[in-house]
Amino acid sequence: SQQGEEDPQALSIQEGENATMNCSYKTSINNLQWYRQNSGRGLVHLILIRSNEREKHSGRLRVTLDTSKKSSSLLITASRAADTASYFCATDTGFQKLVFGTGTRLLVSP
Amino acid sequence: KAGVTQTPRYLIKTRGQQVTLSCSPISGHRSVSWYQQTPGQGLQFLFEYFSETQRNKGNFPGRFSGRQFSNSRSEMNVSTLELGDSALYLCASSLVDQFGVGTEAFFGQGTRLTVV
Repeated sequence: SQQGEEDPQALSIQEGENATMNCSYKTSINNLQWYRQNSGRGLVHLILIRSNEREKHSGRLRVTLDTSKKSSSLLITASRAADTASYFCATDTGFQKLVFGTGTRLLVSP
Repeated sequence: KAGVTQTPRYLIKTRGQQVTLSCSPISGHRSVSWYQQTPGQGLQFLFEYFSETQRNKGNFPGRFSGRQFSNSRSEMNVSTLELGDSALYLCASSLVDQFGVGTEAFFGQGTRLTVV
């Protein structure tokens, strides 16, 4: 079973706009990771945020974590058509067991 | 640095057969995990190996098994295949510190298994 729920399930925006995806989870975590997946291929690691961190940046990505609300958000700024993919959050509950969310399908139109 | 390599990329098997999938982790990574991805159930954890020992197991039947070799390469085996085993099987590798805590998990391209 999946621990995380992501919303929205699908998001359609124009190039240049920002995209925000949210993730909620149920149990305590060691860290939370975000991944991108293109058309059923492998998962590409985007960013990891530890349970004692509140915000992290990497290029055009900004991730926040609120452990009191058991939620995280991923912001992609100035989106490009190449950002079109499915995005998943995954919580590490111990011994590298990642529990994935349901994913957000992002479509960025030129 | 080479990424995680999974072989084969595609596989078609018949119900009742067994299959073995292979995963070579990133050099230096000693933790290897396996996941199953299906449209209905999403991404689900199968098991994790570290130093040839299974440390964690997901909620899958005993037909799903794995092992890890001394060079950290890993294999997973599915016996008596069922139609519902059709899925994308993903392998991930991670660095682990002296306390057994891992960091980022890096995934391979996956093996797409079709059971007919």
